[in-house]
Amino acid sequence: QVQLQQWGAGLLKSSETLSLTCAVYGESFSGYYWIWIRQPPGKGLEWIGEINHSGSPKYNPSLKSRVTISVDTSKNQFSLKLSSVTAADTAVYYCARGGVTYRLHMDVWGKGTTVTVSS
Amino acid sequence: QSVLTQPPSASGTPGQRVTISCSGSSSNIGSNYVYWYQQLPGTAPKLLIYRNNQRPSGVPDRFSDSKSGTSASLAISGLRSEDEADYYCAAWDDSLSGPVFGGGTKLTVL
Repeated sequence: QVQLQQWGAGLLKSSETLSLTCAVYGESFSGYYWIWIRQPPGKGLEWIGEINHSGSPKYNPSLKSRVTISVDTSKNQFSLKLSSVTAADTAVYYCARGGVTYRLHMDVWGKGTTVTVSS
Repeated sequence: QSVLTQPPSASGTPGQRVTISCSGSSSNIGSNYVYWYQQLPGTAPKLLIYRNNQRPSGVPDRFSDSKSGTSASLAISGLRSEDEADYYCAAWDDSLSGPVFGGGTKLTVL
């Protein structure tokens, strides 16, 4: 059974860099897209970006200048870095598995990491 | 401001049928598949419906969806208390070259 386990710092100050990692257990890393989604308090879902096993990332244009998504296939892990955070980046961050053809087929999710940015 | 538009809330009594709408544009719903996610309180979203009314294993056939033009709808028949959750629609957006989501609809079972 595929599981995603995510971790990272939950409390940041403005201008710091958010760093989260998601480990994939029970499934080959190849053949899927690995996705980051966030959900601000009381709000909807926002796609941050994605990466495939070969390491080709794609980012939401609204965040592109601050986001880096990378993959470590030797550890079956992928990571998110978001620089220069502000209070607007306060959210629950999820990692998810998307299909190779249909990325929105996100059938496996991490439990989420709450990130709070204080000024 | 979400790209896809959903009503913020919906409600129904046990056994009723409720529908949740999702409105988009030609660059997303109008030209791509619609997906629906269910989010129970305090948990991660769960894939509920995908690509023309298909359901992952374990999702009851009380859940169904439909699409017409640039709008889609999720229908839940035989409403049950455990259906109380937030529901999100999503679609690939050709202009963004990425996925877009609705703002979510909070379903209350009265």
